[in-house]
Amino acid sequence: KAGVTQTPRYLIKTRGQQVTLSCSPISGHRSVSWYQQTPGQGLQFLFEYFSETQRNKGNFPGRFSGRQFSNSRSEMNVSTLELGDSALYLCASSWTGGLSSYEQYFGPGTRLTVT
Amino acid sequence: KQEVTQIPAALSVPEGENLVLNCSFTDSAIYNLQWFRQDPGKGLTSLLLIQSSQREQTSGRLNASLDKSSGRSTLYIAASQPGDSATYLCAAGGGADGLTFGKGTHLIIQP
Repeated sequence: KAGVTQTPRYLIKTRGQQVTLSCSPISGHRSVSWYQQTPGQGLQFLFEYFSETQRNKGNFPGRFSGRQFSNSRSEMNVSTLELGDSALYLCASSWTGGLSSYEQYFGPGTRLTVT
Repeated sequence: KQEVTQIPAALSVPEGENLVLNCSFTDSAIYNLQWFRQDPGKGLTSLLLIQSSQREQTSGRLNASLDKSSGRSTLYIAASQPGDSATYLCAAGGGADGLTFGKGTHLIIQP
């Protein structure tokens, strides 16, 4: 079974621009979560989508948004980029049912650099 | 708000040693506890998942325990190898609330 895939793997953007990151979950997984990883703050939860609905959101500004499509693929958008948005963005998928529910499987991440 | 702490922050040991990584969390109302490994510049690899109703899980040379009442989990690595060198992350699962991660333990196994 293919793992979680994320595109693009690397991205360089300029302050003020916007960016869209994509995540394809493991086949059959309906939940997709997004995390931001920085050297200073570590890994922080951004939001989680299940069946095209955002179920929960971390403590991030409204510039960070996302959506999920009917095939469970998810996109994350960051508008008006700031230097501090430079980070590794990780996507995780899980199957919400049964004893193994909420075990999260992570993709390789998208490395975003804002200049 | 859940907080997760990992001790030590860094550890360097010679090959072959058994070692223990510690993780503590402040809110015992967790859904599960998950241990990950992260290699430099890479994503996270899930090592072990312990459901809230379980006490431990084992996979090969790895054993993780969970004590919800004291808010602690440990990851035991037996007969360490240079390939075990990585950052090990502990995460408390809040179900749909997502995972709360510790800052990790940077482990170096000396050949």
